[in-house]
Amino acid sequence: GAGVSQSPSNKVTEKGKDVELRCDPISGHTALYWYRQSLGQGLEFLIYFQGNSAPDKSGLPSDRFSAERTGGSVSTLTIQRTQQEDSAVYLCASSPGQGARTEAFFGQGTRLTVV
Amino acid sequence: QQQVKQSPQSLIVQKGGISIINCAYENTAFDYFPWYQQFPGKGPALLIAIRPDVSEKKEGRFTISFNKSAKQFSLHIMDSQPGDSATYFCAATNNLFFGTGTRLTVIP
Repeated sequence: GAGVSQSPSNKVTEKGKDVELRCDPISGHTALYWYRQSLGQGLEFLIYFQGNSAPDKSGLPSDRFSAERTGGSVSTLTIQRTQQEDSAVYLCASSPGQGARTEAFFGQGTRLTVV
Repeated sequence: QQQVKQSPQSLIVQKGGISIINCAYENTAFDYFPWYQQFPGKGPALLIAIRPDVSEKKEGRFTISFNKSAKQFSLHIMDSQPGDSATYFCAATNNLFFGTGTRLTVIP
């Protein structure tokens, strides 16, 4: 595809429900990142996948959050038992190489609202 | 912990003026410092980036100044335009560490 694609663009869910957010990275990009952006806040790193290496999960805020990347391409971020404080825009990005000095290409994000 | 500290949180500049956004980092192992620009409803997009082996990089109206000894870097937007109104994020190394963002408003 032309860019990083995220779905859905908007999601409203009830407190306590599970949600899945999807990210389709740019074809051929080996690195994939998930970030959370709360209203008026910066980009909070959540998780990083690089090729077949074990993901860097150091940014996940709690064990309710998990992510997987199947076949080195599509990624799904799952939030279990959602809470109101999980409301935010979830951004996915991909980059073509590993290590530093590589541009991250972002999707438009999924706006999650927990009511 | 905040690996990259960014200021100011918001900035209002008159058209034609200079916008300056500052960032500081702690980890001397960081070796790549990009700036991203984000418009409302969009994901951030790379604006300009610098490596620590140079002190300045210029692309059009956008300049990064880098001070390795002080562990600081800044974005300068010359001749600021209303179309530059956006949120700007500095970052460090492999896109894991972002600043908290600066909301720039350029007044016509």
